[in-house]
Order: sequence, then C-alpha cells, then structure tokens
Amino acid sequence: QSALTQPASVSGSPGQSITISCTGTSSDVGGYNYVSWYQQHPGKAPKLMIYDVSNRPPGVSNRFSGSKSGNTASLTISGLQAEDEADYYCSSKRSSTTPHVVFGGGTKLTVL
Amino acid sequence: QVQLVESGGGVVQPERSLRLSCAASGFSFNDYAMNWVRQAPGKGLEWVAVISYDGTNNYHADSVKGRFTISRDNSKNTLYLQMNSLRAEDTALYYCARGSDQGSSGWTALDYWGQGTLVTVSS
Repeated sequence: QSALTQPASVSGSPGQSITISCTGTSSDVGGYNYVSWYQQHPGKAPKLMIYDVSNRPPGVSNRFSGSKSGNTASLTISGLQAEDEADYYCSSKRSSTTPHVVFGGGTKLTVL
Repeated sequence: QVQLVESGGGVVQPERSLRLSCAASGFSFNDYAMNWVRQAPGKGLEWVAVISYDGTNNYHADSVKGRFTISRDNSKNTLYLQMNSLRAEDTALYYCARGSDQGSSGWTALDYWGQGTLVTVSS
C-alpha cells in the first residue's frame, strides 16, 4: 500500500509561516475527514499535533493549523520557532477490504 | 499520566518468531483501541495493526497480514504483537500507540505513544 505523498523537506526562518502538503486519493484523504498530523523530534516518539483535519489536542500550540481540499491536506505552522524543527507526518484512514491507516512519507522541517 | 512501555524486542533470525508487549498505565486501558506502528531505521512511520477496546475486532496491514497478530489482555493492561515468519524488512522500532477518543477520527488518531522497542531481523 503506497504512502501519502509529502514533500521531503521544507524550510523557513523564525517568525515565518510554512505549509506542508499531504496528497492522497479519494480512498483516503479525500474520502474521510480523518486526517492527522504528527511531529517527531530525533530519537523521540511521534506526537499528535492535529486530528480530524483541523482539530488540535489539548496543549498543542495554536500556531499549528490544518486544512483539507479535495485529496490534499495541509499543515501550516505560523510564527516558526527553532523548536519546530522536526519531522512531520500526515496520516489518514484508508478504505480497503478492512480499515487501514496510511502515513505520509514524512517531511523534514528546517528552521533556518 | 498516560504511560505506554514496550518490551520484547531484540535480534532474531529470519523465519523465527517474537512477541512484543506494551504495558499501559495512567488511563482506563479497556476503554481505548490500541495500535502498533513501526519505523524502520531512518525511514518513515508504517501502521501495523489495531485492536478494538474489547479485543473483538482487529485489523492488520497487508504487509504483515497472516504473519503478525495483535491481541490484548485487559486484565493485565497489556497489548501484544505476535510476530511470526519474520523477515529482514520487519526490522524496525515498534511503537504502541493509543487510539484517541476525541472527535470523529477515533482509533485512527494516535494520541499517546510509547518509546518503542527495536526488532532486528538478521542471520
């Protein structure tokens, strides 16, 4: 099963905004509002940042926001900070013979 | 606070078996679906399997179907992953992760993760 498509890397300067895209199909991203985003620092476990396309769990900064249009979801980080430098993964439920979750390939965010 | 602690990883030869465990604490384990997710060295995340809160339903990724089995013991607050017929491509850090009870995504949004246990398949 192929992963969702994310850019390999993005970068931005402190204070700027960046957007990471996540492209799937009508069987996953486009078919459900079950898109999540995770942040992973080196050597650490992933952390849930966004669920249901655009909802933030308690404790996640409102600098992180999510959206979706058609088969593409997006994560936007505003007011970039050095601590935002990490890998970011999107995920979605995928329809199949049985329910599945599919992840994106990951995007390395560099804060310049 | 929510804690998930994986164990059982190690070095194993191809075609052998291994059972991973995940001890949960700090929440009502029998109220939540649980997942296994793996990450090969230097690679991205790959969902492996999910089991419902009561253990009556479970689903596995196509890459492990027929070889891996997810299970749980709610009396012990423990999640398991039985891995048979292991292959080199199963080498990865295996995380257990709790399915969220927030919003519509349910078990597909993973709100707490353990630190992982490393499985290396090599002769």
